Amino acid sequence: NAGVTQTPKFRILKIGQSMTLQCAQDMNHNYMYWYRQDPGMGLKLIYYSVGAGITDKGEVPNGYNVSRSTTEDFPLRLELAAPSQTSVYFCASSYSEGGREQYFGPGTRLTVT
Amino acid sequence: GQNIDQPTEMTATEGAIVQINCTYQTSGFNGLFWYQQHAGEAPTFLSYNVLDGLEEKGRFSSFLSRSKGYSYLLLKELQMKDSASYLCAVSDSNYQLIWGAGTKLIIKP
Repeated sequence: NAGVTQTPKFRILKIGQSMTLQCAQDMNHNYMYWYRQDPGMGLKLIYYSVGAGITDKGEVPNGYNVSRSTTEDFPLRLELAAPSQTSVYFCASSYSEGGREQYFGPGTRLTVT
Repeated sequence: GQNIDQPTEMTATEGAIVQINCTYQTSGFNGLFWYQQHAGEAPTFLSYNVLDGLEEKGRFSSFLSRSKGYSYLLLKELQMKDSASYLCAVSDSNYQLIWGAGTKLIIKP
């Protein structure tokens, strides 16, 4: 099993550009999450999904969009990139909510200049 | 508001024991997680506590007191590879994880 995979690993965007961060998992997990991690701050939840076709906003959804057309894939779309979106983005998945651990992808380091 | 507090940085000696504390105030409680994160890498799961008491897993143990809103992670027989950040996270009433900023643990020979 590859677990949770993310692409790209690194990306530099200019202000106003758009991009999609890819995330896929092969563990047949229903729950998937997108977080951002800024220096000195805890992980912040951007969006999450409880199954194919179902997505919901987390704590910091502004400037982002997601879709979940399959159980495996959960892409994150950035529209009109801003410097405030410079961060490390982690995708994670879990079998269920509650007491189940989350498995994280390796992360995407995004810089917006 | 929801808040997770843990020390920013700690230093310990190889072979010693270190305790990393975490206090929390959240809307609801459905368990507390500890994750390890090496620099430049993703977080990996260490432990989960939902009932009061101590959970032991090899060199690592985690303790929870729900009445005090308090947890600690105990690392024994420290090794250089334990140098990492340790993240405390609480599952709130909506089963969403609220994360602390992490404690950077530096191990010295």
